[in-house]
Amino acid sequence: GQQVMQIPQYQHVQEGEDFTTYCNSSTTLSNIQWYKQRPGGHPVFLIQLVKSGEVKKQKRLTFQFGEAKKNSSLHITATQTTDVGTYFCAGEKTSYDKVIFGPGTSLSVIP
Amino acid sequence: DSGVTQTPKHLITATGQRVTLRCSPRSGDLSVYWYQQSLDQGLQFLIQYYNGEERAKGNILERFSAQQFPDLHSELNLSSLELGDSALYFCASSVKGAGNEKLFFGSGTQLSVL
Repeated sequence: GQQVMQIPQYQHVQEGEDFTTYCNSSTTLSNIQWYKQRPGGHPVFLIQLVKSGEVKKQKRLTFQFGEAKKNSSLHITATQTTDVGTYFCAGEKTSYDKVIFGPGTSLSVIP
Repeated sequence: DSGVTQTPKHLITATGQRVTLRCSPRSGDLSVYWYQQSLDQGLQFLIQYYNGEERAKGNILERFSAQQFPDLHSELNLSSLELGDSALYFCASSVKGAGNEKLFFGSGTQLSVL
């Protein structure tokens, strides 16, 4: 079945350092979404990527969708303590298939 | 506030028991999703409903069942509970249930099976 993997599982960074999490799918995806879950909270939608090779930016966050639409990355520049949380990617094979979440990358930021 | 309401927030029960988790989607959303999140685990997709009909099924155990009612709220029933069923159960909703829509998550129901 379809699998979505993420690395690393955990990342500890010093405040101000950059952070990247990678998402890989065993199958081609129609689109990919990214969510953030703060400790004790619920997942909150960040962004969706649809096109092959697409790059989107939200302030210090940069999201990429691979050319083959099987991988994606989230890069945070100059992390802040407010970036703490678990970042999930989520994808599906077709627009009406079930949305499969990756296992998430838990980010800790040391002040 | 996502607009998705889940009740109860916390549930403590014993092995072998049955519980019902409730979810009210955002106003206007027709699709409801259920996810299970165990400690240090990701979000495991259980089941999706759209306008009262089951649309997609994930790794949902036979002891678990769900339904979406005419008013669009949904219930997840967990029976013959085991210790391993202890987890955070999230409900999410979207407008049409299409994969290119963002999901709005509720605050979850923390289930503890003792």
